[in-house]
Amino acid sequence: EAAVTQSPRNKVAVTGGKVTLSCNQTNNHNNMYWYRQDTGHGLRLIHYSYGAGSTEKGDIPDGYKASRPSQENFSLILELATPSQTSVYFCASGDRLGGREQYFGPGTRLTVL
Amino acid sequence: GEQVEQRPPHLSVREGDSAVITCTYTDPNSYYFFWYKQEPGASLQLLMKVFSSTEINEGQGFTVLLNKKDKRLSLNLTAAHPGDSAAYFCAVSAENTGYQNFYFGKGTSLTVIP
Repeated sequence: EAAVTQSPRNKVAVTGGKVTLSCNQTNNHNNMYWYRQDTGHGLRLIHYSYGAGSTEKGDIPDGYKASRPSQENFSLILELATPSQTSVYFCASGDRLGGREQYFGPGTRLTVL
Repeated sequence: GEQVEQRPPHLSVREGDSAVITCTYTDPNSYYFFWYKQEPGASLQLLMKVFSSTEINEGQGFTVLLNKKDKRLSLNLTAAHPGDSAAYFCAVSAENTGYQNFYFGKGTSLTVIP
């Protein structure tokens, strides 16, 4: 069965600190995505990747970096965390072909103090 | 780019009543349509996907209607029960190669009152 896991599930960080959110998928999907979910905004795409070694900017990339070292792993990096980045972050994977659903991880709740 | 509007943002119904959530979109090239359910504190789970033109898909206790002429997608819960209380999101995707461009609605928070 399709599986996307995220770590950590909860994180408290300080302003100006570095935060790394990790995502692993066992679906063998080419595409992976990072979203943040905030009340009133729904899901917003931060970064995505077509495959190992590739990262692309989504709709709200400012303040975030991404890394895709392998087919299975996709990380989201906040080099200098700010309180405005307090949110719930979801990773998803999807087949390269259009029309295929995305599978979501359980989410990471990040609080930046 | 694609614009997806989802209505209503909040919906409260009594157990046994029907509930309808609607999404409209703008890109005529949109071809794939999805409904996701998110229970409180949980992740998004795929509820149903629809691919072709005007189509009705029926699941367990719900119906999805797609009207491509009007660019409208709707989710109809025929007899809501408390277990249906959740957030629901529509997603729209255009046929493409490479990047699978999903556009999400902002969600509907459904409360079913026993």
